[in-house]
Amino acid sequence: GENVEQHPSTLSVQEGDSAVIKCTYSDSASNYFPWYKQELGKRPQLIIDIRSNVGEKKDQRIAVTLNKTAKHFSLHITETQPEDSAVYFCAANGVGQLTFGSGTQLTVLP
Amino acid sequence: GAVVSQHPSWVICKSGTSVKIECRSLDFQATTMFWYRQFPKQSLMLMATSNEGSKATYEQGVEKDKFLINHASLTLSTLTVTSAHPEDSSFYICSAPRSGRDQETQYFGPGTRLLVL
Repeated sequence: GENVEQHPSTLSVQEGDSAVIKCTYSDSASNYFPWYKQELGKRPQLIIDIRSNVGEKKDQRIAVTLNKTAKHFSLHITETQPEDSAVYFCAANGVGQLTFGSGTQLTVLP
Repeated sequence: GAVVSQHPSWVICKSGTSVKIECRSLDFQATTMFWYRQFPKQSLMLMATSNEGSKATYEQGVEKDKFLINHASLTLSTLTVTSAHPEDSSFYICSAPRSGRDQETQYFGPGTRLLVL
């Protein structure tokens, strides 16, 4: 089955700086890679996603890049704000179900 | 956007009792729903895939006789934790994929926090 690894597990940045979270996956059949933001005690919220036929996607301060050959994808958040503080999960969808990474606790320091 | 509801949002029960959790897709039909369990400071772990009209598919290590899943209709799946024990205390979240033109985006319910005393 699919195996998704995520790094780092914790990340602290100063407000206004950029944050990068990286994930690798194992199943070359995976073709959909969403990123979720989860605040404490709440449901995961989809923030951006990318399919395997695209190398990069951007939505305002958030961007995702995908390298199919190397089987890794990354989340980039620019101009971070305190409200960006949360746990971020990457996921890969190969056969209709999501496999999640272990999560990254992002803290944006004011 | 697509909405998935979950009920109850939290439950406290005594050891040995059974707890039923409902997951509903409110504005779309879902032939498949997924049940996850999340322990504190950990990732979401898929427990089982709920299939409307057929048996659920359980992940390795998940006891199907303990976690009963029934996909009663195209908008409702239920998870029953039978004979709950303290180690079953966790955050249970369901999700339902909504097919789009090019992708299947999964929408998550708000979760159910279970505490077994």
